[in-house]
Amino acid sequence: EAGVTQFPSHSVIEKGQTVTLRCDPISGHDNLYWYRRVMGKEIKFLLHFVKESKQDESGMPNNRFLAERTGGTYSTLKVQPAELEDSGVYFCASSRIRQGVYEQYFGPGTRLTVT
Amino acid sequence: TQLLEQSPQFLSIQEGENLTVYCNSSSVFSSLQWYRQEPGEGPVLLVTVVTGGEVKKLKRLTFQFGDARKDSSLHITAAQPGDTGLYLCAGGVGTNQAGTALIFGKGTTLSVSS
Repeated sequence: EAGVTQFPSHSVIEKGQTVTLRCDPISGHDNLYWYRRVMGKEIKFLLHFVKESKQDESGMPNNRFLAERTGGTYSTLKVQPAELEDSGVYFCASSRIRQGVYEQYFGPGTRLTVT
Repeated sequence: TQLLEQSPQFLSIQEGENLTVYCNSSSVFSSLQWYRQEPGEGPVLLVTVVTGGEVKKLKRLTFQFGDARKDSSLHITAAQPGDTGLYLCAGGVGTNQAGTALIFGKGTTLSVSS
């Protein structure tokens, strides 16, 4: 079974530019999550999709972030316009239910640097 | 705001020693998951505990969920250099049936030297 994949692995952009991150979940996983880790801080939740619907987007920092999951398969996270504080590692995870608990499996992350 | 306090932040030990990592909160979690992360990779799930007082063993690793489901510990027996890495605890908020968001601790960086 292929794991969660993310693209690109690294992205360096200038302040004010736009970046789009992509996540392909494990096949058959309806739940997809985005998280972010900024330097020195813990990994923080951004949002949660169930199929193509946003179940919880309480962690999205502001309206410069837009997440989509058309068709309930892969997801994109767009940052427009990017700011310096958006730098960090963005993780995607998908989950399956096992013994009554949803277990989340993470991708390798996209390291975003805004200069 | 729910927080998970993880300690110690750094741990450097010799091969063969035992160690315990703690994860504490004032909040109740529906589940507690432990991950291990290598540089440049995403967190890899080690175990999920759900029931208060639950103990799970994975070879030399023993995981425990507190009776009140507010704290957890990871104990490694006879640590080996291959155990080196970042260990993360993460608590599930909401109900297990909902596929919940996770609250992460800051992690414990473990270094085991031979």
